[in-house]
Formats: sequence, C-alpha cells, structure tokens
Amino acid sequence: KAGVTQTPRYLIKTRGQQVTLSCSPISGHRSVSWYQQTPGQGLQFLFEYFSETQRNKGNFPGRFSGRQFSNSRSEMNVSTLELGDSALYLCASSFGGSQPQHFGDGTRLSIL
Amino acid sequence: DQQVKQNSPSLSVQEGRISILNCDYTNSMFDYFLWYKKYPAEGPTFLISISSIKDKNEDGRFTVFLNKSAKHLSLHIVPSQPGDSAVYFCAASDPTGTASKLTFGTGTRLQVTL
Repeated sequence: KAGVTQTPRYLIKTRGQQVTLSCSPISGHRSVSWYQQTPGQGLQFLFEYFSETQRNKGNFPGRFSGRQFSNSRSEMNVSTLELGDSALYLCASSFGGSQPQHFGDGTRLSIL
Repeated sequence: DQQVKQNSPSLSVQEGRISILNCDYTNSMFDYFLWYKKYPAEGPTFLISISSIKDKNEDGRFTVFLNKSAKHLSLHIVPSQPGDSAVYFCAASDPTGTASKLTFGTGTRLQVTL
C-alpha cells in the first residue's frame, strides 16, 4: 500500500521567493494536514484540509497557505520566504475523525 | 506555552529490558493521544493511540497508559529491541480540532543498547 508522498524532498530558495510543496495522501484518505518541524519549535500544526475545505488552522502568518484538490492531493504555498522558514515540512493524511494520521517523509526547505 | 511536554530528551535502555517514555499535558480538553516514532530523514510513524475514555491500550510490544487526573501518559516498550532506537513523540488532540490537528511534544530520543 503506497504511503504519503511528498515532493520535492529537498528545496533551496532565497529570501523573498515563494515555494509550493506537494503532498499525495494515502488512497482513500480525505484529510490532509501540514506541519512544520524546526529544531527550536518542534512539530507545529499549520493547517488541515478535508474534502477541499480548510477545516483547521494553526498560528502561522498568512504567507502560509494551502489547498486541496478533488483527488485529495494537497499543496502548500509559502510566499515572501524568510530565513526562519527553513524547516522540514511534513504532510500527514488520514480518513478523518479519530483515525490516526500517517506522515510522509517531508520536504526539507532551506532558505539562503 | 508548551501544552504537551516530554521532559526527558533522551533515554538509554538495554536490549530486552523495558523502555518507559513519559509525556505530560496541560490542556484538559485533550481527548485523544498518540505516540509516533521517528527515524532520521523519515517522517513520523504512527505507533499506538488511546482515547480519553480508556486508561490503557496495548498493541504487541507497545502499551500506552493514560492517567487523566495527573494529565500524564506513558509508552511502555517490552522487550526493547535495537530497532526501537529512534525519537519518540507524543501528540494530543482535542474535540474542537479533530484528530487531524495534533499538538506534539518535543520528543525523547531512545537508544537501545546491546
């Protein structure tokens, strides 16, 4: 059974640019969540999409946005990149409800 | 404000012995708790979960205990194996956020020695 797939695995950008990360959930999963992992803040929730609608949102600035397509695939966009956006971005999917989330291996974003 | 805390950054246990990883939380609204294991360069892998209506859940070598009055949960691994060496995260969710909005602890690095 295919797991959660995130592309690309690594990305290098410069300050001020924007970036789009992609996530393909496990087949049948309709909920997709995004998390940011940094050494200082740990794993922090960004937002969740369910059936193409944002259902939950964490405490991140509006530069961080996302969307979900009808096939449940999701993209996350960060505009006007800052040095502090350097992190591992993780995507997780689930059936929703009280079902556990399953994570992809992440996209490591480095800002120069 | 760290709502989920793992106060031990690291733990070393001999192979075959019991590993006990602890987690404390402050938000009394949390009603669903999970443990994840993470190897370097990989995403977290789901291990086991527990609902607040239970105080224990077992899955093979892994058992999670929940003490709601103390706002404390623990993960027991018996017997510990070298392949269990990884970083372990506890996570929690509340009814308002669904189980897809998780608050994570900072992790405990477990090393299982031969």
